[in-house]
Amino acid sequence: KAGVTQTPRYLIKTRGQQVTLSCSPISGHRSVSWYQQTPGQGLQFLFEYFSETQRNKGNFPGRFSGRQFSNSRSEMNVSTLELGDSALYLCASSSGTSGRHEQFFGPGTRLTVL
Amino acid sequence: QKEVEQDPGPLSVPEGAIVSLNCTYSNSAFQYFMWYRQYSRKGPELLMYTYSSGNKEDGRFTAQVDKSSKYISLFIRDSQPSDSATYLCAMSDFNDYKLSFGAGTTVTVRA
Repeated sequence: KAGVTQTPRYLIKTRGQQVTLSCSPISGHRSVSWYQQTPGQGLQFLFEYFSETQRNKGNFPGRFSGRQFSNSRSEMNVSTLELGDSALYLCASSSGTSGRHEQFFGPGTRLTVL
Repeated sequence: QKEVEQDPGPLSVPEGAIVSLNCTYSNSAFQYFMWYRQYSRKGPELLMYTYSSGNKEDGRFTAQVDKSSKYISLFIRDSQPSDSATYLCAMSDFNDYKLSFGAGTTVTVRA
């Protein structure tokens, strides 16, 4: 079974720009979660989508948004980029059903904001 | 206080040693516990997944959960240089798919 894929793997943007990251979950998985990883804050939860609906949201500003498509693929968008948004953005895939909480991560998108 | 506290490390052990990694948590609602291994500049890889108190073994890895003490551990037996990585504990509650992570412990296994 193919794992979680994320595109692009690397991005360099400048302050004020916006960016869209993409995630394809494991086949059959309906839940996609997004996390931000930085050296100072570690892994922090951004949001989770299940069947095209956002089920949970972390404590990030409204500049961070996401969506999920009918094929379970997900995108996250960051508008008006700030230097502090430089991080590894990780997508995690899960079946999303009760009792099955293990999450499988993709390789991440490394975003650098200049 | 953070929800999940992880022994900070770093740890350096000789090849063949037992590696012991620990996390404590404050949220009694946490029901699902995971250990991830993350190599430099890669995504976290799921090593162990448990949802009850007690021990779970998978090859050289043993995960231990003590819900009464809010304490989880991961043991790596016969450690190899390829085990050199950062290990992250993570947990979630019954109704939630949001994972709360420890800060990670960096382990180096010396050949």
